[in-house]
Amino acid sequence: DAKTTQPPSMDCAEGRAANLPCNHSTISGNEYVYWYRQIHSQGPQYIIHGLKNNETNEMASLIITEDRKSSTLILPHATLRDTAVYYCIVRDGSGNTGKLIFGQGTTLQVKP
Amino acid sequence: KAGVTQTPRYLIKTRGQQVTLSCSPISGHRSVSWYQQTPGQGLQFLFEYFSETQRNKGNFPGRFSGRQFSNSRSEMNVSTLELGDSALYLCASSLYRGQTDTQYFGPGTRLTVL
Repeated sequence: DAKTTQPPSMDCAEGRAANLPCNHSTISGNEYVYWYRQIHSQGPQYIIHGLKNNETNEMASLIITEDRKSSTLILPHATLRDTAVYYCIVRDGSGNTGKLIFGQGTTLQVKP
Repeated sequence: KAGVTQTPRYLIKTRGQQVTLSCSPISGHRSVSWYQQTPGQGLQFLFEYFSETQRNKGNFPGRFSGRQFSNSRSEMNVSTLELGDSALYLCASSLYRGQTDTQYFGPGTRLTVL
């Protein structure tokens, strides 16, 4: 089962920041948080990942709380092309597998 | 660098037939994983291959099988197709196995079983 909980859907106005929350209260110390998104019927696209510290790349920022029980993905200036299902995933902590366990994700609708 | 490629992109089969799907990973990537996506069950892990060996397997019946070749290309096979096997089959590749290694997905193969 997925170790994350996300709201099923969210709306965001175009040009505004989209803040997507994720709860992962049972995360263990060596498990990473990964974010992917999937635009309708395409393969999931990697966005960002992190362990403890906040991370930023050209697509998004990832804010992880100090207790690591939750995180927020931030798309700083959402566009219509950011409309997608966003998945928050906690990677298996053993390091012995590349398996990803997907939950239901958050459907983000960016509106003009 | 080219991304993960999957062939064919679309496939229609009838119940009882078998099907083989192909995945070419990103150049230099040695790990390939397969996933099934259906509206009811979402994205589910099928299996993972690394250095031509199956390293991990999801909870799917034995009708689902796969293999990896020495050039890291992978195939998955589904025998005795059922209507419920209609799904988007996704392949993902990564450099190696491990929790910090990012997987990159292909566009998928849409399988329809009639």
